[in-house]
Amino acid sequence: GENVEQHPSTLSVQEGDSAVIKCTYSDSASNYFPWYKQELGKRPQLIIDIRSNVGEKKDQRIAVTLNKTAKHFSLHITETQPEDSAVYFCAASIFGNQFYFGTGTSLTVIP
Amino acid sequence: KAGVTQTPRYLIKTRGQQVTLSCSPISGHRSVSWYQQTPGQGLQFLFEYFSETQRNKGNFPGRFSGRQFSNSRSEMNVSTLELGDSALYLCASSLDGSGNTIYFGEGSWLTVV
Repeated sequence: GENVEQHPSTLSVQEGDSAVIKCTYSDSASNYFPWYKQELGKRPQLIIDIRSNVGEKKDQRIAVTLNKTAKHFSLHITETQPEDSAVYFCAASIFGNQFYFGTGTSLTVIP
Repeated sequence: KAGVTQTPRYLIKTRGQQVTLSCSPISGHRSVSWYQQTPGQGLQFLFEYFSETQRNKGNFPGRFSGRQFSNSRSEMNVSTLELGDSALYLCASSLDGSGNTIYFGEGSWLTVV
């Protein structure tokens, strides 16, 4: 089955700096890659997603890039704010709603 | 539009007991999937239901089962509970399951003592 690896597991940045989280996947048939943000004690919430026919997608301070050849995708957060502090999960899906998740990155934005 | 609703939110069970968790998807969504979240294993896929049929199943023992009703509401059951079943169980719904976005509920926190 699909295997998704996520790095780093923890990340601390100064407020205003950028944060980058990287994920790799193993199955070239994966075609949908969402990113979720989970605050302590809350549900994972979708923040951005990308499909395999697109190389990059941006939504305000958040962007995702996908390299199908290398089988990796990354989350970029610019101008980080304290409210960006949370655990971020990447995921990959081949078909339907069977998603394979990375192990999460705990992001801390230091004011 | 109301989000994904899960009940109960918190529960404590004893080893050997069974538990049933319930999930009501977003109105109009026909696909419901279940995930187990633990600190050590992260988010792991349990199974997915669409139109009352199980379409996909993760790598969990047969003690974990589920079903979906005609109104798309879903339940999952865990029998013969073990300490290692303590986790946050998340339900997610999507429109039709064709690689669409999934939206999570708040989850059911299960503690097995």
